[in-house]
Amino acid sequence: GENVEQHPSTLSVQEGDSAVIKCTYSDSASNYFPWYKQELGKRPQLIIDIRSNVGEKKDQRIAVTLNKTAKHFSLHITETQPEDSAVYFCAARGGTSYGKLTFGQGTILTVHP
Amino acid sequence: GAVVSQHPSRVICKSGTSVKIECRSLDFQATTMFWYRQFPKKSLMLMATSNEGSKATYEQGVEKDKFLINHASLTLSTLTVTSAHPEDSSFYICSARDGSGVEETQYFGPGTRLLVL
Repeated sequence: GENVEQHPSTLSVQEGDSAVIKCTYSDSASNYFPWYKQELGKRPQLIIDIRSNVGEKKDQRIAVTLNKTAKHFSLHITETQPEDSAVYFCAARGGTSYGKLTFGQGTILTVHP
Repeated sequence: GAVVSQHPSRVICKSGTSVKIECRSLDFQATTMFWYRQFPKKSLMLMATSNEGSKATYEQGVEKDKFLINHASLTLSTLTVTSAHPEDSSFYICSARDGSGVEETQYFGPGTRLLVL
């Protein structure tokens, strides 16, 4: 089945800096890659997603890039703000598992004022 | 975005009792719902995939007789933790997939915190 590795496990940045979180996946047939933000005790919230026919997608301060050849995708947050502090999860939908997402281990992002 | 509700938000029960958790899609029909378990500071671990009108598909290592899943309608799936034990204490989250065809987004419920004494 699909295996998703996420790095780093923790990331600490100063307000205004950029943050980058990287994920790799194992199933070359995977075709959908969402990113979720989860605040303490809350539900995961979808912040951005990308499909395998696209290399990059941007939404204001958030962008995701996908390299299908290398089987990795990254989340980029620019101009970070303290409210960006949360746990971020990447996920991949395997090509043979209709609708089923495999999640990365999560990254605890802390943005210091 | 679509709304998924979960009830109850937290429950405390005695060891040996059963607990039922409901997951509802409020403004869309969900042919597929997913149940996850999350330990503190850990990732989401998929327990099972629930399909409306058919049996759930359980992930390896998840006891189907202990975690009963029923998806009786397009807007409701339930997870029953039978004969709960302290090791079942966890945060249980459901998600629902929009069944309108192409949409792949999964929307998560707010989670249920279960504490078994």
